[in-house]
Amino acid sequence: DIQMTQSPSSLSASVGDRVTITCRASQGIRNDLGWYQQKPGKAPKRLIYAASNLQSGVPSRFSGSGSGTEFTLTISSLQPEDFATYYCLQHNSFPSLTFGGGTKVEIK
Amino acid sequence: QVQLVESGGGVVQPGKSLRLSCSASGFTFNSYSFYWVRQAPGKGLEWMSVISYDGANKYYADSVKGRFTISRDDSKNTLYLQMNSLRAEDTAMYYCAIGLVGPTDHWGQGTLVTVSS
Repeated sequence: DIQMTQSPSSLSASVGDRVTITCRASQGIRNDLGWYQQKPGKAPKRLIYAASNLQSGVPSRFSGSGSGTEFTLTISSLQPEDFATYYCLQHNSFPSLTFGGGTKVEIK
Repeated sequence: QVQLVESGGGVVQPGKSLRLSCSASGFTFNSYSFYWVRQAPGKGLEWMSVISYDGANKYYADSVKGRFTISRDDSKNTLYLQMNSLRAEDTAMYYCAIGLVGPTDHWGQGTLVTVSS
């Protein structure tokens, strides 16, 4: 089974900060990875698909990069509405999918 | 627009059964594979199951294999998850979703299952 290790598990940041979240796969997954944002009481919302493609309607301050085993989600300038929990999801081992453990982004 | 609406959650005793439904609209139902994803209270997301667009292929996470059954009724545009032999650790919000491995994805709002005596 492919394991996804996400770091950090939480972080505190201020509005305007640049934020980077990392997911590491236990084996190579090409670019078969998406990034999700989840706010309390809401369903997850995908921000990035195929590692680096911005989902339609998602602000350009979000970006994704990486391939193989290491991936990053970057928020270039954190906005108040970005405080949430973020997850990566690998689908290289489809039909089995694996989420990362999540990163909670809190207000400093 | 695409809508996925889950229902059927509730409080159930350990060892009992429950069937969740996911009613879909706004897209061609029989063109999509469907997924169930769950989230225990205060925990992360966990993929549970997937059914292919034609219902021919069904896959499950090890944690629910042999206890849960995914199915679909294309005439009703509805996805199901039959959950048997429920355990306390199955307590979670259950989401249905489409397109998780494609360029677009959509999720329902979730239905809460609580397994408790």
